[in-house]
Amino acid sequence: DSGVTQTPKHLITATGQRVTLRCSPRSGDLSVYWYQQSLDQGLQFLIQYYNGEERAKGNILERFSAQQFPDLHSELNLSSLELGDSALYFCASSVHPGESYEQYFGPGTRLTVT
Amino acid sequence: AQTVTQSQPEMSVQEAETVTLSCTYDTSESDYYLFWYKQPPSRQMILVIRQEAYKQQNATENRFSVNFQKAAKSFSLKISDSQLGDAAMYFCAYRSGEDSSYKLIFGSGTRLLVRP
Repeated sequence: DSGVTQTPKHLITATGQRVTLRCSPRSGDLSVYWYQQSLDQGLQFLIQYYNGEERAKGNILERFSAQQFPDLHSELNLSSLELGDSALYFCASSVHPGESYEQYFGPGTRLTVT
Repeated sequence: AQTVTQSQPEMSVQEAETVTLSCTYDTSESDYYLFWYKQPPSRQMILVIRQEAYKQQNATENRFSVNFQKAAKSFSLKISDSQLGDAAMYFCAYRSGEDSSYKLIFGSGTRLLVRP
C-alpha cells in the first residue's frame, strides 16, 4: 500500500458524459501527478499540481481538467467522454516535485466509456 | 524530447533463473534519473529500482540490479533467482533533472512470464 488513495476503483459511463476522479496523496506529500494508461498510448503524464497550484501540463486534452484543493486532495475532471478515453488513470504523489523525491502511485481508477 | 524504448514486448524465465530486461533511452540532458516499475495483475505501479545518472555505480535492490551504460543510453534490469511473484509488466521510466515538472516518461513495457 503506497498510501495514495484513489476513488472510485472502477467507473463505467456513456459517451458524452462527465466524470470526476479523486485522489488523496500520502500524508505530507504536496505534489500530485496524474497519468493515463491506455492500450494505444501507453502510460503518459497528464498534469501536475504542487501545493494547490498547477505546475506542469503534459498530453492532457482540453476536455480534461484538474485541480488540487487546500487539503491537498486532487480531482481530475473528464468531460464529453469518448470511447478512446477508456483507460486506467493513476494519481501519484511526492513530498516535493524535486528530482530526488519519489513518486508513489495510487491503485488507479479504471474508466470504461461505452 | 526524451524517449524511452523497451524492445522486448514479452520475456519468459524459469523459476530460480536469471532474466534481463532491456531499456534504451534518448536524451540530450546530463541530469536525469532512471527507474524500473513493476505492474502486477493488480495494476498497482511499484517502484523496483532507481538510478541517478551522475552515479557510475549500478543500483541494486536485493535480487534486482541494473546495468547502466550512460554512453550507450542503456538501462537494463537483471532479476536473479526469479520467483513466481515476479511475473508482471515491467516499465522503464525516465525523469529529467532539468525539467521542473519532474514527470515520468515511460517505455511501452515488457511482460515477464515466470515458468514454475
